[in-house]
Amino acid sequence: KAGVTQTPRYLIKTRGQQVTLSCSPISGHRSVSWYQQTPGQGLQFLFEYFSETQRNKGNFPGRFSGRQFSNSRSEMNVSTLELGDSALYLCASSLLTGEKGQYFGPGTRLTVT
Amino acid sequence: DQQVKQNSPSLSVQEGRISILNCDYTNSMFDYFLWYKKYPAEGPTFLISISSIKDKNEDGRFTVFLNKSAKHLSLHIVPSQPGDSAVYFCAASPNTGNQFYFGTGTSLTVIP
Repeated sequence: KAGVTQTPRYLIKTRGQQVTLSCSPISGHRSVSWYQQTPGQGLQFLFEYFSETQRNKGNFPGRFSGRQFSNSRSEMNVSTLELGDSALYLCASSLLTGEKGQYFGPGTRLTVT
Repeated sequence: DQQVKQNSPSLSVQEGRISILNCDYTNSMFDYFLWYKKYPAEGPTFLISISSIKDKNEDGRFTVFLNKSAKHLSLHIVPSQPGDSAVYFCAASPNTGNQFYFGTGTSLTVIP
């Protein structure tokens, strides 16, 4: 069974631009969560989607948004990029919401210049 | 505010010896705890978990201990192997939802 895939793997953007990251969960998984990993903060929860609905949201500004499609694929969008948005963005999938085990993708490394 | 803390950014251990990674949390609503292992250029992979109704869970060379009164958990790896060299994250979750709070990670190096 294929794992969680994320595209693109690397991205360089300029301040003020917007970016869209994509995540394809493991086949059959309906819950997708997004995390931001930075050296000083570790992994911080962004949001979780289940059956195309946002179920949980972390403490991030409204510039960070996401959505999930009927095939469970998810996208994350960051508008008006700031230098501090440079991070590794990880997505994780699980079969159901509330499941304690998640499978992570390799991440998208975003650099904002 | 960091609700899950891993105060040791790095740890070096000789092959064959015990590795002990520590994690502290502040939120008493957390009732499920997990450890993840992360290699460079890969996403974290689930290692072992423990529910708050237990104080110990063992899986092969890996054992997690939970001290609820101290709000502290630890991961023991015995014996340590060079392939265990990775960054280890602890994570905690309240009893509802799929929201996890992660620590900042401890980089373990096992020296052959």
